[in-house]
Amino acid sequence: QKEVEQNSGPLSVPEGAIASLNCTYSDRGSQSFFWYRQYSGKSPELIMSIYSNGDKEDGRFTAQLNKASQYVSLLIRDSQPSDSATYLCAVYNAGNMLTFGGGTRLMVKP
Amino acid sequence: NAGVTQTPKFQVLKTGQSMTLQCAQDMNHNSMYWYRQDPGMGLRLIYYSASEGTTDKGEVPNGYNVSRLNKREFSLRLESAAPSQTSVYFCASRGSPGTGELFFGEGSRLTVL
Repeated sequence: QKEVEQNSGPLSVPEGAIASLNCTYSDRGSQSFFWYRQYSGKSPELIMSIYSNGDKEDGRFTAQLNKASQYVSLLIRDSQPSDSATYLCAVYNAGNMLTFGGGTRLMVKP
Repeated sequence: NAGVTQTPKFQVLKTGQSMTLQCAQDMNHNSMYWYRQDPGMGLRLIYYSASEGTTDKGEVPNGYNVSRLNKREFSLRLESAAPSQTSVYFCASRGSPGTGELFFGEGSRLTVL
């Protein structure tokens, strides 16, 4: 079992809809959780970080964390074609290594 | 501000050849990382260096060596390249221990024939 799991997609949503991206992790000791966005042929860039249970909002992005269920999600409201990218979930484990999931490819159709 | 700079950006090797990927950061970060990215596999950690003078293995260290030359530079060496090492390699650096944000270089695309 991979330490960080994501559905590879593609997840296709119409422009203006809410995109919901999910991630599960195996290390119960993990404390820090991140979402990176990666456009095709580019390097990843951080878009959200979350450290405590609940929701964290930043503009059109909301990260949700449930440590009991070992689940973290990213919601993108009012999705735009420019949001089309691969979204990588990343988790710091107890050994202080940042482990990435395989990524979910999001396609926002005009 | 260059951030994280990797060289070369593209390289083609024959099986058994050796090469070194160079990485330098100008953000005065302590921690540096080397990841590889293969289709559908996300980013997998090869080696990391928590601070100058220290290096540690990640998930997939076999076939690689690293050197933390100084605080700015962290190189990745393939001693005897294999086709399984065909991948895109990313170097990254991390600021203060309290933040998880990694700053990535542009990547190095390596093909081993």
